[in-house]
Amino acid sequence: SQQGEEDPQALSIQEGENATMNCSYKTSINNLQWYRQNSGRGLVHLILIRSNEREKHSGRLRVTLDTSKKSSSLLITASRAADTASYFCAKETSGSRLTFGEGTQLTVNP
Amino acid sequence: NAGVTQTPKFQVLKTGQSMTLQCAQDMNHEYMSWYRQDPGMGLRLIHYSVGAGITDQGEVPNGYNVSRSTTEDFPLRLLSAAPSQTSVYFCASSLGRAVEKLFFGSGTQLSVL
Repeated sequence: SQQGEEDPQALSIQEGENATMNCSYKTSINNLQWYRQNSGRGLVHLILIRSNEREKHSGRLRVTLDTSKKSSSLLITASRAADTASYFCAKETSGSRLTFGEGTQLTVNP
Repeated sequence: NAGVTQTPKFQVLKTGQSMTLQCAQDMNHEYMSWYRQDPGMGLRLIHYSVGAGITDQGEVPNGYNVSRSTTEDFPLRLLSAAPSQTSVYFCASSLGRAVEKLFFGSGTQLSVL
């Protein structure tokens, strides 16, 4: 079974707007990661947040983690058409296993 | 560095045939893994390895075998292909045994008729 629920499944916004994607999970984690996938390509790592961290930033990306609610969010600020892609959260649990959610398809309209 | 290299990029099999998907990385990564990606299902872990000589099962291991005789290579074998194995397969590697940043190959699109 999938370790995470992501919402929304699809998101369409205009260039310059912010995009927020959410990820929930069921069991305890060591860290949570976000990946991006352009159509027909492999996934690319964006950012990692550890279970003892609450917020991390990387350029236009901001990730939050609430372990009490077992949820994380990815915020992309000032979006660009080139941000159009699928975004996945992935949970690292014990045993060196990284489990992916079903992803959010983001479309940024120019 | 080439990163993670997967071959072939596309493959069509008939039900019952066997084949091996190749994966090689040139980054001296300890951790390697195989995922399959199906529409609406995200990525599901098939098998993984934390080092040469060590492999373990993921979420969906049935019908697949792996081995890790060298640090660089992690082939995935389909023993007797079934239509349910039609999918896109991704190999990914990470520097250490803790999976903190996966590097993905470009994928193999497999169709089983």
